[in-house]
Amino acid sequence: GAGVSQSPSNKVTEKGKDVELRCDPISGHTALYWYRQSLGQGLEFLIYFQGNSAPDKSGLPSDRFSAERTGGSVSTLTIQRTQQEDSAVYLCASTFRHGNEKLFFGSGTQLSVL
Amino acid sequence: GQQVMQIPQYQHVQEGEDFTTYCNSSTTLSNIQWYKQRPGGHPVFLIQLVKSGEVKKQKRLTFQFGEAKKNSSLHITATQTTDVGTYFCAPQAGNTPLVFGKGTRLSVIA
Repeated sequence: GAGVSQSPSNKVTEKGKDVELRCDPISGHTALYWYRQSLGQGLEFLIYFQGNSAPDKSGLPSDRFSAERTGGSVSTLTIQRTQQEDSAVYLCASTFRHGNEKLFFGSGTQLSVL
Repeated sequence: GQQVMQIPQYQHVQEGEDFTTYCNSSTTLSNIQWYKQRPGGHPVFLIQLVKSGEVKKQKRLTFQFGEAKKNSSLHITATQTTDVGTYFCAPQAGNTPLVFGKGTRLSVIA
């Protein structure tokens, strides 16, 4: 596609439910990042994928968070047993390769946990 | 691990005034990127600096990379209302994930 696509754009869920957030990177981009942005705050790194290498999961805040990238393209971020503090905008970004390359961001998924 | 400090956190200026945001790292960097996020939008890449002492200009924006490659600044001359947003630095040291500073939120009063 022309840009990074994220879905859904908004997600409202109840505390304790699981949610899945999807990211379609720009075609040909081998590196994909997930970030979290709480209201009025900076971008918190969560995880990144580079080609077929093992992902860097060092930013995931708890074992309730996981992500996968199928076929080197689409990625899904899963949050299990959501908590109110998980409410934030989840941003996905892609680039040709990790390191020394600019990131292209999607419009994000606004997650609200009630 | 890498520590990044971006200051100030907020800046309110009158239209036409200059604005500067600073990014300081505890470690020597391989490069640094700058992004702008408009209110309600997503971050958009502005520029990347790689060389020690590098200075790059984009119209009214001037970006600098320190000689020691540990700090960087973004300066906007004669701010306009279109400059409103949050400016993030994203320093990188070696093969590490791109970690963003907390950003400087710029408000421009017309």
